[in-house]
Amino acid sequence: EAAVTQSPRNKVTVTGGNVTLSCRQTNSHNYMYWYRQDTGHGLRLIHYSYGAGNLQIGDVPDGYKATRTTQEDFFLLLELASPSQTSLYFCASSGWGAETLYFGSGTRLTVL
Amino acid sequence: GQQVQQSPASLVLQEGENAELQCNFSTSLNSMQWFYQRPEGSLVSLFYNPSGTKQSGRLTSTTVIKERRSSLHISSSQITDSGTYLCAMERGNTDKVVFGTGTRLQVSP
Repeated sequence: EAAVTQSPRNKVTVTGGNVTLSCRQTNSHNYMYWYRQDTGHGLRLIHYSYGAGNLQIGDVPDGYKATRTTQEDFFLLLELASPSQTSLYFCASSGWGAETLYFGSGTRLTVL
Repeated sequence: GQQVQQSPASLVLQEGENAELQCNFSTSLNSMQWFYQRPEGSLVSLFYNPSGTKQSGRLTSTTVIKERRSSLHISSSQITDSGTYLCAMERGNTDKVVFGTGTRLQVSP
């Protein structure tokens, strides 16, 4: 069974704060994705990567940076958090692009 | 605009009834997937089905590429089927996997 671990599970920060969300996969997958989920919008793609050091821009990248440090680890960075970034964030991995996605349990972020 | 349209947005069934969930795409269809989101939020892959029909237990997925649609059939629904069903596809050949807004299913006794 594929394993994708996200941390933290919950995070509360203030406007202007600095937040890093972490994702680790132990599936030896090449692709990793960051999504946010909001009521009425479904899951929206923020950034994705097909290998260590690679970064691809998703559909809603503004206000987010991401870094893939190793094949296993993909980080999402909010350097100046805003209330509009309050959301449920999911990380996913897949062996090759657009194949079966395996999701982490999600991180609920609240920006006050 | 929205490239992945799911219908219905919500559905209420009595236990034992069948359900048909639809996913329609405004662009050419690549790499179709169906997911189940539990009420507490976790996501589970149901099918990777780029074309044709696949079955797993009471669930059947059918993807028709030329008609740009995919369906998920749930037979003999159970209370534990309650949750949100999401479809997703690859946009073009970009490796971007984009999602519909989901169908929220509630199954009552």
